[in-house]
Amino acid sequence: KNEVEQSPQNLTAQEGEFITINCSYSVGISALHWLQQHPGGGIVSLFMLSSGKKKHGRLIATINIQEKHSSLHITASHPRDSAVYICAVRWRAESGGSNYKLTFGKGTLLTVNP
Amino acid sequence: DGGITQSPKYLFRKEGQNVTLSCEQNLNHDAMYWYRQDPGQGLRLIYYSQIVNDFQKGDIAEGYSVSREKKESFPLTVTSAQKNPTAFYLCASSIGPGTQYFGPGTRLTVL
Repeated sequence: KNEVEQSPQNLTAQEGEFITINCSYSVGISALHWLQQHPGGGIVSLFMLSSGKKKHGRLIATINIQEKHSSLHITASHPRDSAVYICAVRWRAESGGSNYKLTFGKGTLLTVNP
Repeated sequence: DGGITQSPKYLFRKEGQNVTLSCEQNLNHDAMYWYRQDPGQGLRLIYYSQIVNDFQKGDIAEGYSVSREKKESFPLTVTSAQKNPTAFYLCASSIGPGTQYFGPGTRLTVL
């Protein structure tokens, strides 16, 4: 079983602030996903990464495989960034097998105030 | 426009009734998935299908059934055997094990 922990659970920021959301997991993985869920419920995939760092606009995702930890950063946050951010890890369910599983964190609710 | 659609967005049913949730994709993805989301919990996998006419149970399959007769469609039936069916249901699809694309979800309320 892979335990996925996100912190913080809730985060409130002022517009323009730099945001960091953390994700840690307990079992080695093949990939980590960051997802964004808006109040209506739809989910959008932001990043999939297995090493290093990826950047898209004001969003940056990093992963440290040795420490089993990933961070999602938002620079110059804006009220439209308000959403739930979800970390999910893809890992091999059986050693040497081809059965991969995707385990999701509980999400971080981000509210950015104007 | 390529995408994944779920209908309806909101669904109400009486206890004891079976209900089928629709999921359609025109992305030409082989793999499709059904997840359940409850407040304060991560998404949990109900069923998945890697190819037409084949599907596998996920972590919480009891009380649910699926079919995959066409590549584009992966309907989920919530049966009366599901003890706590009220939840938000999300369908997703992917090319193999890569990035999953999610539908808008169906919120099911059992009265």
